[in-house]
Amino acid sequence: SQKIEQNSEALNIQEGKTATLTCNYTNYSPAYLQWYRQDPGRGPVFLLLIRENEKEKRKERLKVTFDTTLKQSLFHITASQPADSATYLCALASDSNYQLIWGAGTKLIIKP
Amino acid sequence: GAVVSQHPSRVICKSGTSVKIECRSLDFQATTMFWYRQFPKQSLMLMATSNEGSKATYEQGVEKDKFLINHASLTLSTLTVTSAHPEDSSFYICSATGAGGQPQHFGDGTRLSIL
Repeated sequence: SQKIEQNSEALNIQEGKTATLTCNYTNYSPAYLQWYRQDPGRGPVFLLLIRENEKEKRKERLKVTFDTTLKQSLFHITASQPADSATYLCALASDSNYQLIWGAGTKLIIKP
Repeated sequence: GAVVSQHPSRVICKSGTSVKIECRSLDFQATTMFWYRQFPKQSLMLMATSNEGSKATYEQGVEKDKFLINHASLTLSTLTVTSAHPEDSSFYICSATGAGGQPQHFGDGTRLSIL
């Protein structure tokens, strides 16, 4: 069955450093991979979308890579700030419909 | 842009009550809306997908008669939890997409607590 794995343990990073989160998937060939941010008690907020034919995408301090051979995406936050502390969710979608398959998320804690 | 408003944000009610949750796209036409349920520290669980003017498509294991979904317009979808019981207590979140299909834009969720 299709499966998405994100590190279930919280990631603690010192302010100013680069935070790197991992998303691995199996038994799936997504057309899109997306990253969302979710704060406690709130809905997810869309951050970045990367297509299967794209290797890397950037937005301000955020960078996403997508390796369809390794079936892995890496999500980087450079010059991290305490305000970046949140849970980050990875989601995959095919071309055939708009449904997303979700990872459980990784909690990121940026320490001042 | 792409703002989705979900109301109410929190509901506490007695067992047996029916609860309606509204999801509105404020600045775009939502051709497709999704309803999710989320348990603590778990991923989003898709309950159903609805297209404007059509019946919702429910995921396996989700009771259609329990969770009534209406998507009567391009900006509004509602989820009604009928005769709610304590096991229905959860965090319910809606999302919407425009004509392009991606990405999904989420409401802020509804915390439902059934006593």
